[in-house]
Amino acid sequence: GAVVSQHPSWVICKSGTSVKIECRSLDFQATTMFWYRQFPKQSLMLMATSNEGSKATYEQGVEKDKFLINHASLTLSTLTVTSAHPEDSSFYICSALIPGDGTDTQYFGPGTRLTVL
Amino acid sequence: AQSVAQPEDQVNVAEGNPLTVKCTYSVSGNPYLFWYVQYPNRGLQFLLKYITGDNLVKGSYGFEAEFNKSQTSFHLKKPSALVSDSALYFCAVRDYGGATNKLIFGTGTLLAVQP
Repeated sequence: GAVVSQHPSWVICKSGTSVKIECRSLDFQATTMFWYRQFPKQSLMLMATSNEGSKATYEQGVEKDKFLINHASLTLSTLTVTSAHPEDSSFYICSALIPGDGTDTQYFGPGTRLTVL
Repeated sequence: AQSVAQPEDQVNVAEGNPLTVKCTYSVSGNPYLFWYVQYPNRGLQFLLKYITGDNLVKGSYGFEAEFNKSQTSFHLKKPSALVSDSALYFCAVRDYGGATNKLIFGTGTLLAVQP
C-alpha cells in the first residue's frame, strides 16, 4: 500500500519551455501532497504543500508563478515549471500523506529528473 | 524550531558487520521521528518511524532504530549489513505548526557496505 507514482521519470527540455510533472497516489486518496527539489548529494528542499481543492502553500523563496502547482483531484497533483531555465535543472520529488494517518508519514514518488538545455 | 542532525556524511561498513547511522533531534514537543532510504536516482522509501511507545522500533529490510529521549537521538541500526543496503539515508522529524505538519530532513548519510 501507499504507492506514489511520478511521470515522467526524466525529461529534457529547451530553455524557455514549460514542463509538467505529475504525481499520483495509486492506492489511496491524498488530500495533501508535497513537492521537493533535490540537488546532487544534498538533502530535500521543500518547495510547496499541495492541498486538494485549494491553493498550494509555497515555502519562502520559491516563486509560485514559476512553479505552478495544481491539486485538482484526490489522487493527482501536478507541478509545472514555467519558462524553464538551466538553473531549474534538478531532481523533483513528490510525496503524499494518507488521510487520517495521524503520524504525518510521507510516502514518496520515484522522482523526476529535469534537464533544461 | 524543530531540527534534525546527521553528523556523518558517510558511513563505511563491511558486509556482515553491524551498522549504525546516527541522528539527533531538537523539538519543542513530543517528537515524531522517521528514517527514509534513497537509492540512486530514486525517491525516498519509508523505513520506520517512532511516534510513541517502545523505544526500539523495527522497520523494513531488517532495520531498527532506538529512540533515546535523554540523548535526543534516533540512531538507525542493522545487525548485519548487506551490500544492497548501500544507499543514502535520511532522518526526519515532524515540524509543528501551520495547517499541515511538514517533515524536516537531515542532510543525509551515505552508507557504503563493502563486500
